[in-house]
Amino acid sequence: AQRVTQPEKLLSVFKGAPVELKCNYSYSGSPELFWYVQYSRQRLQLLLRHISRESIKGFTADLNKGETSFHLKKPFAQEEDSAMYYCALFNQAGTALIFGKGTTLSVSS
Amino acid sequence: DVKVTQSSRYLVKRTGEKVFLECVQDMDHENMFWYRQDPGLGLRLIYFSYDVKMKEKGDIPEGYSVSREKKERFSLILESASTNQTSMYLCASSPDRWEAFFGQGTRLTVV
Repeated sequence: AQRVTQPEKLLSVFKGAPVELKCNYSYSGSPELFWYVQYSRQRLQLLLRHISRESIKGFTADLNKGETSFHLKKPFAQEEDSAMYYCALFNQAGTALIFGKGTTLSVSS
Repeated sequence: DVKVTQSSRYLVKRTGEKVFLECVQDMDHENMFWYRQDPGLGLRLIYFSYDVKMKEKGDIPEGYSVSREKKERFSLILESASTNQTSMYLCASSPDRWEAFFGQGTRLTVV
């Protein structure tokens, strides 16, 4: 069965510190993985997708098939990065998007 | 600009009432989803639909049903609302295996 695990409920860092939000998955084959973000009082939105290999707002995520991980990283956190972050993948049929429980990132000055 | 619109931002209903949550998307997406979002539990998939009149159960379908009579509209129905269905409900749509676009959410309180 497909599953997404985000082991940390809350991650608190200081401004300028590196950030790593962890995501592990269970999937048979090649998964399509995403990171979504929800800022306060805003709707959930896509941050980045692994297939695009892009960097958005300084965030990157690398798919590690050996460790079945897709951790989200940023070298220098900013206060505006404070939000709820969700890791997600599509099911095998490509018809349902499955989310982890989310990690709240809190960046303080 | 993709738009996913949920009919209500806030809703208060009584225990036992039949509740309808409506969601409309304007981008001709095949897939539509209903999730509930609870602190510490993340987004849990209730139902999803990959075509008109097609629906599949997600992880927590008990107490819910859905209807998709037209491609752009996906309704979530609480047959007999209970207090444990108090939650934030999120609707989303996506083209096949691509980015999902979310509505603003409906905060439902069942009293």
